[in-house]
Amino acid sequence: DAGVIQSPRHEVTEMGQEVTLRCKPISGHNSLFWYRQTMMRGLELLIYFNNNVPIDDSGMPEDRFSAKMPNASFSTLKIQPSEPRDSAVYFCASSYYVGGRGNQPQHFGDGTRLSIL
Amino acid sequence: KQEVTQIPAALSVPEGENLVLNCSFTDSAIYNLQWFRQDPGKGLTSLLLIQSSQREQTSGRLNASLDKSSGRSTLYIAASQPGDSATYLCAVRPLGQGGSEKLVFGKGTKLTVNP
Repeated sequence: DAGVIQSPRHEVTEMGQEVTLRCKPISGHNSLFWYRQTMMRGLELLIYFNNNVPIDDSGMPEDRFSAKMPNASFSTLKIQPSEPRDSAVYFCASSYYVGGRGNQPQHFGDGTRLSIL
Repeated sequence: KQEVTQIPAALSVPEGENLVLNCSFTDSAIYNLQWFRQDPGKGLTSLLLIQSSQREQTSGRLNASLDKSSGRSTLYIAASQPGDSATYLCAVRPLGQGGSEKLVFGKGTKLTVNP
């Protein structure tokens, strides 16, 4: 089975440029998560969707960040304009949410390593 | 606010040793606790998930325990191998989030198993 697929794997760009990260979740999963990982702060949830609807975006750092999920098989995380402090590894994860106390593990992609110069 | 702490940040052991990784969390109101493994340049792989009503889960050489009342979990690795070298993260899914699937992660313990 194909896992969570993220692209690109690496992105290097200059400050001020728009950056778009892409994610294809595991087929049949109905929840999708965007995380950011840095040495200082560890792994932080930015936003997550259930059935393509944003449920919790409290981790989105500021208006420069936006995320969309136009259908069940694709999501994007966009940063515009990008800043050096956005440099991090961005992970996408998906799961099958069964509601309430449902306990299903999250499956992670290999991440996008983003460097803003 | 839920906080998850993992100590030590790094651990180096000789091959064959049994070892314990520790995880503590500040609020015992959780749905579950998960242990993940992260290899360099890779994403996280779920190892074990313990529901709040459970005390432990086992998978092969791995055993995870949960003491919710004291806010502690341990991951026991038996007969460690060089292939076990990775960063191990624990994460809790807090209650009181309206059913939210949000996980709160520790910063991980980097394990090195020396041949």
